[in-house]
Amino acid sequence: EAQVTQNPRYLITVTGKKLTVTCSQNMNHEYMSWYRQDPGLGLRQIYYSMNVEVTDKGDVPEGYKVSRKEKRNFPLILESPSPNQTSLYFCASSLSGYYNEQFFGPGTRLTVL
Amino acid sequence: EDKVVQSPLSLVVHEGDTVTLNCSYEVTNFRSLLWYKQEKKAPTFLFMLTSSGIEKKSGRLSSILDKKELFSILNITATQTGDSAIYLCAAPSNFGNEKLTFGTGTRLTIIP
Repeated sequence: EAQVTQNPRYLITVTGKKLTVTCSQNMNHEYMSWYRQDPGLGLRQIYYSMNVEVTDKGDVPEGYKVSRKEKRNFPLILESPSPNQTSLYFCASSLSGYYNEQFFGPGTRLTVL
Repeated sequence: EDKVVQSPLSLVVHEGDTVTLNCSYEVTNFRSLLWYKQEKKAPTFLFMLTSSGIEKKSGRLSSILDKKELFSILNITATQTGDSAIYLCAAPSNFGNEKLTFGTGTRLTIIP
């Protein structure tokens, strides 16, 4: 089944403890992206990747890192999480970065205490 | 700064009613506008509009784009309780889809 998977789906952690949220797609998509969704602010793009080893900042990249070493995986790293990073995170992918619909993963609910 | 604005923020109607959701945009190098439906979790794709004046239709849902006035509408006829969701519109900016700006969404509630 074609899908985008994220792990973990739920995470409660403490300030400063490094964490990684994994994202994987099995559709051979070139483009992948991370978003966070907060009440009243909608979906905001954190980082995106047009292809392997090509990443760029979205609108809210501060406090996050990404890497794209393989086409299928695009992990999101929080080196030192803070409470303002408590949010619902979505990974998405599309065939390419141009004119294509994005398929979203199921979301990761992160709480930083 | 790229901007996508949706209205209304929230809408409550009775089953069977017809609703119109609005999306206006100001983005650099506009190419397309996308509509998504978000129920419990992940947004799911509804439409992508690239040409002005051409309606896209899927069952009871339809959408149209006006590139001159910089807006799009999403219509849902004969609404059902399963249409209750947040409807999001988004517009890619720059030179492709790489940077996607979303509106804050319209929360639609259908009362049986």
